Amino acid sequence: KQEVTQIPAALSVPEGENLVLNCSFTDSAIYNLQWFRQDPGKGLTSLLLIQSSQREQTSGRLNASLDKSSGRSTLYIAASQPGDSATYLCAAYSGGGADGLTFGKGTHLIIQP
Amino acid sequence: NAGVTQTPKFQVLKTGQSMTLQCAQDMNHNSMYWYRQDPGMGLRLIYYSASEGTTDKGEVPNGYNVSRLNKREFSLRLESAAPSQTSVYFCASSGVTSGGETQYFGPGTRLLVL
Repeated sequence: KQEVTQIPAALSVPEGENLVLNCSFTDSAIYNLQWFRQDPGKGLTSLLLIQSSQREQTSGRLNASLDKSSGRSTLYIAASQPGDSATYLCAAYSGGGADGLTFGKGTHLIIQP
Repeated sequence: NAGVTQTPKFQVLKTGQSMTLQCAQDMNHNSMYWYRQDPGMGLRLIYYSASEGTTDKGEVPNGYNVSRLNKREFSLRLESAAPSQTSVYFCASSGVTSGGETQYFGPGTRLLVL
């Protein structure tokens, strides 16, 4: 059964810093890996999706990488801003329909002004 | 284009009461999902529907029933609510984008069972 772990569980950094959020998964046979953002009291918003054949995806100040062989993905946030404060979740999709998407528990990020 | 909508936003129930959580999407997606999110447990799949007329159990289906009424709507019913069902419930639908199959989430329903 796929397990997804996110480290650290919480992170607080000053505005302007570059930072890295980590996601690891136990079963490397994934179709894709997705990063989401969740604001307090809100649903999840998809940020980046990396297919298993890809190494990275970029959107603005966000860059997500995928290393299937080591079971790891990272989300890099450049020049962090207070508006980036949120919980970031990664989810690995292993196919098979109903149980195919496994979420990590998230990293709670606070960017200090 | 509202995306995924859920009603109600908040609900308080007494143990043993029943209720239905409603979900609708306007993106013409085939697949829809119900998750619950609890502190320290992350998101867990309750039920899934790959298309109209089909439903499948997820990780934590006990105590819940679902109905895929049509392509747009997917409802979750609690027949006899229990305090253990206090949670935040999210509905999602999925569709193919340029990057692959992506899930779109509703804003959630916060349920308290006393």
